[in-house]
Amino acid sequence: EAQVTQNPRYLITVTGKKLTVTCSQNMNHEYMSWYRQDPGLGLRQIYYSMNVEVTDKGDVPEGYKVSRKEKRNFPLILESPSPNQTSLYFCASSLWVGGPETQYFGPGTRLLVL
Amino acid sequence: GENVEQHPSTLSVQEGDSAVIKCTYSDSASNYFPWYKQELGKRPQLIIDIRSNVGEKKDQRIAVTLNKTAKHFSLHITETQPEDSAVYFCAASGGSTLGRLYFGRGTQLTVWP
Repeated sequence: EAQVTQNPRYLITVTGKKLTVTCSQNMNHEYMSWYRQDPGLGLRQIYYSMNVEVTDKGDVPEGYKVSRKEKRNFPLILESPSPNQTSLYFCASSLWVGGPETQYFGPGTRLLVL
Repeated sequence: GENVEQHPSTLSVQEGDSAVIKCTYSDSASNYFPWYKQELGKRPQLIIDIRSNVGEKKDQRIAVTLNKTAKHFSLHITETQPEDSAVYFCAASGGSTLGRLYFGRGTQLTVWP
């Protein structure tokens, strides 16, 4: 089954404790992206990757890191989480045809930073 | 960069009525405009998209129109049903910043039976 998976689905942590949210897709998509969703603000792009070893910043990259060492995986790293990073996070992937195509979203990761 | 504005933020309609959601964009180079539907507690899913070389696209009860001159595009849902109730997001990409996808803030559509 074609899918995007994220882990963990729910996470409660404390300020400053490094964490990683994993994202994996099995559709051989070139493009992968992370979004955060906050009430009233819609979906804001954090980082995206157009292919292996190619990443770039979105709207809100501060406090986040990503890497794309393999085509299927695109982990999101919070080196020192803060309460303002409490949010719902979505990973997504798509084909790349000169631009991102239909985004296939993962199930989301709900993060609470105390 | 691109700026996508979406209106209204909330929309209530009676079952069977039509609903229209509008988005404007700022980057005239943008060429791909998808619409996503997000039901409560679920992930966003694409419902329809349009490219800049097309003025209108339909899929059953859903249609999208694009006005490149005015830089706006709209989602039209006819004969609304309670299961259309969800948050709808418009987006734009293909503009000056390659690889970026810009979303509007969303419209909460409620369809009353």
